Amino acid sequence: QKEVEQDPGPLSVPEGAIVSLNCTYSNSAFQYFMWYRQYSRKGPELLMYTYSSGNKEDGRFTAQVDKSSKYISLFIRDSQPSDSATYLCAMSAVDDYKLSFGAGTTVTVRA
Amino acid sequence: NAGVTQTPKFQVLKTGQSMTLQCAQDMNHNSMYWYRQDPGMGLRLIYYSASEGTTDKGEVPNGYNVSRLNKREFSLRLESAAPSQTSVYFCASSDPGTGVAQPQHFGDGTRLSIL
Repeated sequence: QKEVEQDPGPLSVPEGAIVSLNCTYSNSAFQYFMWYRQYSRKGPELLMYTYSSGNKEDGRFTAQVDKSSKYISLFIRDSQPSDSATYLCAMSAVDDYKLSFGAGTTVTVRA
Repeated sequence: NAGVTQTPKFQVLKTGQSMTLQCAQDMNHNSMYWYRQDPGMGLRLIYYSASEGTTDKGEVPNGYNVSRLNKREFSLRLESAAPSQTSVYFCASSDPGTGVAQPQHFGDGTRLSIL
């Protein structure tokens, strides 16, 4: 079993819809949680960064962490065609600079 | 600000050939990483360098070697390329704080095909 599991998708939604992305993990030592966005033929870029449990909001993006369930989510409100990309979750433990990545979910927002 | 620069962007090799992938970062980061990305597999760590002068194996190191040339540069070498090494290779860097994980910054990748 992989340390980080991510819903494979792909996901196709109409413009304006809410996109919901999820990851589960098995390592209870993970404390730092990140979401990366990767456009086609580009490298991943950091989208959201959270520490421990709770919610973080940045514009149309909301990241949620539930450490008790070992479950993290990313919500994209009012989705736009420019949000079409692959989204990867990543996480790490304290004092461990290595990241464990999910496999990524490809999202297409239809105009 | 270029961030992380990888060269070349594309490469086609024949089985058994060798090549070196180059990576340079201009963010003064201490740590650098090499990943490969394959469909359905996500990013898998090949090697990393926590700081200048140190390198360590990641999840999938077999068939690769690395050199941390200086603080800015971290190269990945394939000594005898195999078709299984066909992949997209990403270099990343970060500046870990004490006890606090810092995000990694990625280059745009090298697309490598081995025939």
